[in-house]
Amino acid sequence: QKEVEQDPGPLSVPEGAIVSLNCTYSNSAFQYFMWYRQYSRKGPELLMYTYSSGNKEDGRFTAQVDKSSKYISLFIRDSQPSDSATYLCAMPTDSWGKLQFGAGTQVVVTP
Amino acid sequence: EPEVTQTPSHQVTQMGQEVILRCVPISNHLYFYWYRQILGQKVEFLVSFYNNEISEKSEIFDDQFSVERPDGSNFTLKIRSTKLEDSAMYFCASNRDTEAFFGQGTRLTVV
Repeated sequence: QKEVEQDPGPLSVPEGAIVSLNCTYSNSAFQYFMWYRQYSRKGPELLMYTYSSGNKEDGRFTAQVDKSSKYISLFIRDSQPSDSATYLCAMPTDSWGKLQFGAGTQVVVTP
Repeated sequence: EPEVTQTPSHQVTQMGQEVILRCVPISNHLYFYWYRQILGQKVEFLVSFYNNEISEKSEIFDDQFSVERPDGSNFTLKIRSTKLEDSAMYFCASNRDTEAFFGQGTRLTVV
């Protein structure tokens, strides 16, 4: 069983729509849950991270964690064409920098 | 804003040749990492480096790979005898306390 699973998409939405992304994981030891954004042929860029269960909001982005279901989500409100990218969930394993990544979901926001 | 920089952005090499990928981490960071992303696949952890030695490595990081911090600013990944399957994006990352910051990557093409 893969440790972190993520639907690769692509997910196509019209501008202004809400984008809903999710990951499942199998390792109950994960404590922190991170979302990175990756533009084509660029490095991952951290969007936000949460600790344990609950919600966290940052501007148009909201991250949710449900540890009981081992399920995390990222919502993007009022999506813009500039949000078109691949979104990666990631969990630190033994240290903050040793990350277990999901496959990434490609998002396309059409004007 | 401080950033992780990587050179070159693209490297083409012949199979069997040695390559050195270079990274300048963020200046006050203490932990350094290399990741690899084969086209269409997940970002995968290769190695972590702290206090001038490898702290952890994945099973991908075999004897053909080595890392070095030759001075106070650079962090390098050497691949001794490249194989076709080494073609990938290689990302350097660094952190101090919490989240890791990634460079823009070096695209390595082995022909």
